[in-house]
Amino acid sequence: QSALTQPASVSGSPGQSITISCTGTSSDVGGYKYVSWYQQYPGKAPKLMIYDVSKRPSGVSNRFSGSKSGNTASLTISGLQAEDEADYYCSSYTGSSTWVFGGGTKLTVL
Amino acid sequence: EVQLVESGGGLVQPGGSLRLSCAVSGFTFSDHYMDWVRQAPGKGLEWVGRSRNKGNSFTTEYAASVKGRFTISRDDSKNSLYLQMNSLKTEDTAVYFCVRAYDNSGYSLGYWGQGTLVTVSS
Repeated sequence: QSALTQPASVSGSPGQSITISCTGTSSDVGGYKYVSWYQQYPGKAPKLMIYDVSKRPSGVSNRFSGSKSGNTASLTISGLQAEDEADYYCSSYTGSSTWVFGGGTKLTVL
Repeated sequence: EVQLVESGGGLVQPGGSLRLSCAVSGFTFSDHYMDWVRQAPGKGLEWVGRSRNKGNSFTTEYAASVKGRFTISRDDSKNSLYLQMNSLKTEDTAVYFCVRAYDNSGYSLGYWGQGTLVTVSS
């Protein structure tokens, strides 16, 4: 199972909105409604930000939103803040009870 | 509060074995799916495997890269999850995270431990 494709890096200024894409295939992203997004600071454990494509766990800011179209899922962060600077990973269920992650995207807040 | 604490990491030679442990608290362990996810130094996340909950007979699944070499088990009396790693390769070097599914659907990884580093080197 190949990793999902994410841009290596994205950047934005405070207050702006950015979108991170996550491209897979019909066997993973396109085939299921089980895409998740994780935020990770250096040296720390990942944190679940979005699950089931567009749902937010309790406590996660509503500045974070998720969507999917075909084989590509997207994470949008609006009203960008300095604390959003981190690595972001997408993940998808692939069937056969296995999961695949994206390669990760480094978000820089300018 | 959900807590996951991994232990057992360290330096091991190629071909060797190591067992990681994950002590959990704050929830009913047998009710939840549990996973192992790893991250090689400077690299992305890789799903390693899963132990389903009691309602699904604690069955397990593994990534192709570790199948046949790694075994996940759990001891509900000790609220602990284990990862037995055999025939270790240099490419198994990574931080290993113990993870609990976010909800009972089991399709997202909601609670993560701090990780334990495994280094496979001669």
